[in-house]
Amino acid sequence: GAVVSQHPSWVICKSGTSVKIECRSLDFQATTMFWYRQFPKQSLMLMATSNEGSKATYEQGVEKDKFLINHASLTLSTLTVTSAHPEDSSFYICSEERGQGPYNEQFFGPGTRLTVL
Amino acid sequence: GQNIDQPTEMTATEGAIVQINCTYQTSGFNGLFWYQQHAGEAPTFLSYNVLDGLEEKGRFSSFLSRSKGYSYLLLKELQMKDSASYLCAAMDSNYQLIWGAGTKLIIKP
Repeated sequence: GAVVSQHPSWVICKSGTSVKIECRSLDFQATTMFWYRQFPKQSLMLMATSNEGSKATYEQGVEKDKFLINHASLTLSTLTVTSAHPEDSSFYICSEERGQGPYNEQFFGPGTRLTVL
Repeated sequence: GQNIDQPTEMTATEGAIVQINCTYQTSGFNGLFWYQQHAGEAPTFLSYNVLDGLEEKGRFSSFLSRSKGYSYLLLKELQMKDSASYLCAAMDSNYQLIWGAGTKLIIKP
């Protein structure tokens, strides 16, 4: 069964509004979660690493003031797209890692499809 | 720089065998992952290779050659439900996954 959930599954919003996406670990205390973005026919692009109780680590080129990440508990990380614009329309996926050492399998949430009009 | 190359799209026939290739260049190497992603869904784990050779798991097998920076995913007895994108991802020295763009596999009856 699913180990990571995301909400909402899809969202349509007007340009300039903010959208919050939740990522929940269902049966694991995830100190680290990852946020990806995937445009059509392109690879997964890591946006940021979400760390429980501390600031997220953003990848180069990702605006931390636009994509706000909060990881307040071991089972919940949120991504807020602030002042969304049409170019932010994408498939947003979170994941968590389980395991130790180099073999850390990533479990992905079902994704959130964001469409900004 | 770091790079993953895999074909954009492949077509195969139901019941047949298909091999999806992946070449990688990373700063250090800690393993090669294959994920399956159906349209509109999140990726699901298929395999992990860190040593040279073939890992078999049911109808799916994955091969790795570290010296050549090369891997392939072999799918046997193809079924229509295998129609999906297959993502190759290499883990670099910082244990960060570098993702390929994915290979869209189309299965025809």
